Amino acid sequence: GAGVSQSPRYKVAKRGQDVALRCDPISGHVSLFWYQQALGQGPEFLTYFQNEAQLDKSGLPSDRFFAERPEGSVSTLKIQRTQQEDSAVYLCASSPGSVNYGYTFGSGTRLTVV
Amino acid sequence: DQQVKQNSPSLSVQEGRISILNCDYTNSMFDYFLWYKKYPAEGPTFLISISSIKDKNEDGRFTVFLNKSAKHLSLHIVPSQPGDSAVYFCAASGMVQGAQKLVFGQGTRLTINP
Repeated sequence: GAGVSQSPRYKVAKRGQDVALRCDPISGHVSLFWYQQALGQGPEFLTYFQNEAQLDKSGLPSDRFFAERPEGSVSTLKIQRTQQEDSAVYLCASSPGSVNYGYTFGSGTRLTVV
Repeated sequence: DQQVKQNSPSLSVQEGRISILNCDYTNSMFDYFLWYKKYPAEGPTFLISISSIKDKNEDGRFTVFLNKSAKHLSLHIVPSQPGDSAVYFCAASGMVQGAQKLVFGQGTRLTINP
């Protein structure tokens, strides 16, 4: 597609529920990133893929967070047993290569845990 | 530990005047800096970047200045237009953080008044 596509746009989850957030990057983009943006804050790095390899997951806040990109294109961010502090906008971005290209963000998924 | 700081949460500028957005960083290992613009309900959009080997980069109405000794960068928009009203994030990357990861500031909300 022309841009980075994320679904769903909005998700309301009950505390303790598992959620899965999907990211469809720009076709051919090697690098894929997930960021978490809390209200009034800047995006914070969660994890990075180069093709199907997860090269950096240092930003994942707990072992309840898991990301995959099995075929090197679509990626899923899964959050198990959601907590209220997980409420945020989850942004996906893709890039053809180096971060110096200024990677392209999707519109995000707004997760609200109630 | 906020490594990238935008100390002004908001800025209001008259149309046609210059807008100056500021950003400070603490990590001297950062070697690439970017500015992103964000409209409500959209993902951040890459605006302009600068390498640490330069002190200025210009692109149309947008100019980014880097002062490495002060660990400070700024974005100048001139002349400011109503469509420039958005939240602006500065971001930094460097090998110490992992070359593909960006560290964002908290953002500055710019409002251009007609």
